[in-house]
Order: sequence, then structure tokens, then C-alpha cells
Amino acid sequence: AQSVTQLGSHVSVSEGALVLLRCNYSSSVPPYLFWYVQYPNQGLQLLLKYTSAATLVKGINGFEAEFKKSETSFHLTKPSAHMSDAAEYFCAVSVLGNTGNQFYFGTGTSLTVIP
Amino acid sequence: DAGVTQSPTHLIKTRGQHVTLRCSPISGHKSVSWYQQVLGQGPQFIFQYYEKEERGRGNFPDRFSARQFPNYSSELNVNALLLGDSALYLCASSYWTGDTEAFFGQGTRLTVV
Repeated sequence: AQSVTQLGSHVSVSEGALVLLRCNYSSSVPPYLFWYVQYPNQGLQLLLKYTSAATLVKGINGFEAEFKKSETSFHLTKPSAHMSDAAEYFCAVSVLGNTGNQFYFGTGTSLTVIP
Repeated sequence: DAGVTQSPTHLIKTRGQHVTLRCSPISGHKSVSWYQQVLGQGPQFIFQYYEKEERGRGNFPDRFSARQFPNYSSELNVNALLLGDSALYLCASSYWTGDTEAFFGQGTRLTVV
């Protein structure tokens, strides 16, 4: 079975500080991993994805994530937070099965950036 | 290029009513998936359609149904609405069912009163 756990439903950082959003996954097969961002009243925007190539994945807006198989983790980081980073962030695992590709999402982490 | 478009953006329905939500995938994409996002939760998979056939179904009651048309657009139908059906309904499109990436629309915010 596949699942995603996001540690910390709310994270607050000061502007310019490091952003670290945690994600652990459970998958019975090699996973594809994703981070999505959701701004208020909007859909999901892809930040980055891991598809079994490089373990350190760079995404948009300065975000990156590192796939650690031994820890079953895919934490999202950004060296310096910006006010515009305030949003809801979702980690997701995608697994190809007999019925196609299905995403399993975590419960989300709300990021607040303090000026 | 147009992304995934969903309509309507918002709607309010009364308990027991029926609702139809619509989705147009990105041009060239043949697979459409539907997700329900209840406030404060991550999206939950409802259906995946490819080439007009249902290819996957999540753990939702039979009140939920969907279909895909020859132009690859899709409708999600919900009968006998319950208060608990209030959510953001997201449509995602991908080129085919084995595509590892999906592009999401802005969603339809359904409120059941």
C-alpha cells in the first residue's frame, strides 16, 4: 500500500530563513514522488518531482528535495524563504498499477512566512 | 497553451440534489483523473479515465460517477448530495494512464447546504 506522511501541519519561518518541510512515504514499489504547492482558492502547482533519476531534485522558485530511500523520505527545502512562499504544500507519491497512475497525497503543510 | 480548465469555479447545492462538474484536459492529453479535497486535507483519488473508459476508482460511494467524452473532456456527477460532499474537486490531466506527471486544474468549489 502507498501512503504519505507530512510531519507538521503548520510551519512558520522568518523571511530569509531556511524552509524545511518534511515528507515520508510508504510504497510497495519504487515510487515517483512529487511536491505540489497550493495557493488559496487555487489548484495544485507542481514544484518538483522525483522519477528515479538524480536523488537531489531541483524545482521551481528555488525549492529542492532529496530522495533518501533508506529513510523513505523526500523532504522539501529552500535556503531563503520569501513572503510569496506562504502557501499550502503537499507531498504526493504516484504509483503505476494495473489501473493506471494514481496519486496519494499527504495532508499538507501550511507554510507561514514572517516578515 | 491552455491548461486544465474546470467549470464552474464555485457552486452551492442543497442536500439531496445532483451536481455535474466539468473538466477539459490539456490539448493532447487523453487521461483525466478526479480528486476530492476536503478542507484541511490532501486530495483523495476518485476516478481515472482514459480513452473514454474508467481505468481506476477510489474508495467513494456509487453516488459518484464520471464519464469521458470523445474529445477527452470529462464530467463528474454526484447524486443525492450530502453535507460531507462539500469540497474542492480537482481534475488532473495526463497524456496517458502511465504518465508519471499530472497537471491539475483550478478546481471546482462545491458547497452543500
